[in-house]
Amino acid sequence: SAVISQKPSRDICQRGTSLTIQCQVDSQVTMMFWYRQQPGQSLTLIATANQGSEATYESGFVIDKFPISRPNLTFSTLTVSNMSPEDSSIYLCSVADPGDAYNEQFFGPGTRLTVL
Amino acid sequence: GDSVTQMEGPVTLSEEAFLTINCTYTATGYPSLFWYVQYPGEGLQLLLKATKADDKGSNKGFEATYRKETTSFHLEKGSVQVSDSAVYFCALGGGRRALTFGSGTRLQVQP
Repeated sequence: SAVISQKPSRDICQRGTSLTIQCQVDSQVTMMFWYRQQPGQSLTLIATANQGSEATYESGFVIDKFPISRPNLTFSTLTVSNMSPEDSSIYLCSVADPGDAYNEQFFGPGTRLTVL
Repeated sequence: GDSVTQMEGPVTLSEEAFLTINCTYTATGYPSLFWYVQYPGEGLQLLLKATKADDKGSNKGFEATYRKETTSFHLEKGSVQVSDSAVYFCALGGGRRALTFGSGTRLQVQP
């Protein structure tokens, strides 16, 4: 199973600023996903970030607001740009395990973001 | 598109009671089905999974069976404990697909 770490674990930011969240995996993985969990809500997929290709964004999420980098098979970043209080959420990265035909996804501990 | 519907919470039970959390889905193709659990203050953990119709996933006394005919994946446990108090998410996906989650069901078990 993959072990995933995220930085920062939490942050409080001012409106209009940007925050970059880092996701580090202890093994090489092709498929990585970024999700958002708004307070008291379920998880919503932001984008799929596979190494070697541009990130694919879900409806309602755009690259200008949530730029993603995937420079190698163990690392990715998600930036939340020009933040507003509505961006206050937990942001999670996850990876799919190729060892189980991609049928298991592991999640990082999340980054809890509060925008004032 | 894919969607997952699960019962509203919170569900409040006494210790040793029987638990059922309903989950139904709509999907294209033949996705895998999952139950994830989120304990207070902790991250998301995979509880169990089933990858094809009629498969039963089980872990820590919890069970769920992949029912293609009723498009369901209900979570059950015969005797809940206080330590089972958490939020439970039903999800579908796998096989290179991102996960689609249900809204989550909060379970509170009272001693």
